[in-house]
Formats: sequence, structure tokens, C-alpha cells
Amino acid sequence: RKEVEQDPGPFNVPEGATVAFNCTYSNSASQSFFWYRQDCRKEPKLLMSVYSSGNEDGRFTAQLNRASQYISLLIRDSKLSDSATYLCVVTRTSYGKLTFGQGTILTVHP
Amino acid sequence: GAVVSQHPSWVICKSGTSVKIECRSLDFQATTMFWYRQFPKQSLMLMATSNEGSKATYEQGVEKDKFLINHASLTLSTLTVTSAHPEDSSFYICSARDWATWEETQYFGPGTRLLVL
Repeated sequence: RKEVEQDPGPFNVPEGATVAFNCTYSNSASQSFFWYRQDCRKEPKLLMSVYSSGNEDGRFTAQLNRASQYISLLIRDSKLSDSATYLCVVTRTSYGKLTFGQGTILTVHP
Repeated sequence: GAVVSQHPSWVICKSGTSVKIECRSLDFQATTMFWYRQFPKQSLMLMATSNEGSKATYEQGVEKDKFLINHASLTLSTLTVTSAHPEDSSFYICSARDWATWEETQYFGPGTRLLVL
């Protein structure tokens, strides 16, 4: 079983749609959780950290459920510029070793 | 945010040659940097953790004699792919964390595309 698993995707949605991505992690000792986005042929860029209390950044809302070992990302009012691969990322230690999910491709069309 | 650079951004080489990739933290010091590899349509896989002034820590399945890592200063880590072969063709990305802050954010370099013919 992979340490971090994501929705297989791809997701193709119209502009303005709401889309949700899910992610599960296998190691209950995982400490920190993030969503990154990666554009084609580019490096990953941090989208947001994920906290148990849930956190929101504009149109993006992230949620963590430690009991279920489940992470989610909700994107509201999708824009064309949201088209990218979204990576669920988990760390097990405090010194920063990241484990990436396989990514979910999102395409927002006019 | 902090900036991490990589050089070169892409390289094409013949099979059997060695290729050196540099990763620099431009505006912060990084005692630890990370090297990842990403094959097409796959996610990033951690190859090794580069520690300033000491030996790198390699992930299981990564050959340390093939992927030489040197972290000689607080702002520079290098990855050398020795005797590169076509199967080493990949997107190599480094990352670094600014340990002077409490943030866990890792900053990624723009990556290096390696094509071995």
C-alpha cells in the first residue's frame, strides 16, 4: 500500500464549478500535511498547509481528519488558472522529509 | 518566499557521462536539502537527504555510488549522476527548508531535466 494515496482523477470541470480532492495516508505517526500544486514541467509549489481545525485560503479549503487519516481539498468557483496537478504531501518527521501522493490532475475548461 | 535555484535547467548527454546538478538557496541558509526525482506521469520520489558537512542519507533503492551528493556549504548542494544511462533520464528537483524560521515550508528549485541518449 502506498504511504499517500490520492483520487486517481483526472478531473475535468467547467469554470465556476466546485471540485473536491481526497487523500489518505497510511502512517498514523505522520505529523504535517500539505497540498502542493504542480504545473506542467514545473516544480511543486506550496498551496496550503492542512490543519485538524480546517483552514481556508480564499477559494481553497483544506481539512484533516486524523482519526480517519484523511485529507481533503475543496476548490470553489474554479478558474482556468487552477488547472494543474494537485499533490497531497505528508511528513513523518520534524526535519522535513516529504512523501508525495501520485497527484490528481485538474483541468478547468471554459 | 525563499528562493532556491538549480543549474542547469536542462541537460542532454551521452550514455556513460557524468552530470552535475547544483542546488542553491539564494537568500537563506539550508543545513538540509532534499533531492527528488520525477518520472513522466509519476509523483516526486525522494532520493536522498543532503546534510551540510556530513554524508547524505539515501532512500532505499537509490544507489549512493551512482548519485553522489555533496553539501559543502550552507547554501549549496550538488548531485552528480555518474555514468548516466537512458533510464536515468528524469526531472531532478531539489528542495530546502529555512531552518532559521519555525516554518515547515520547503522551497523547491525549478528542477533539472536530464535526457541521456
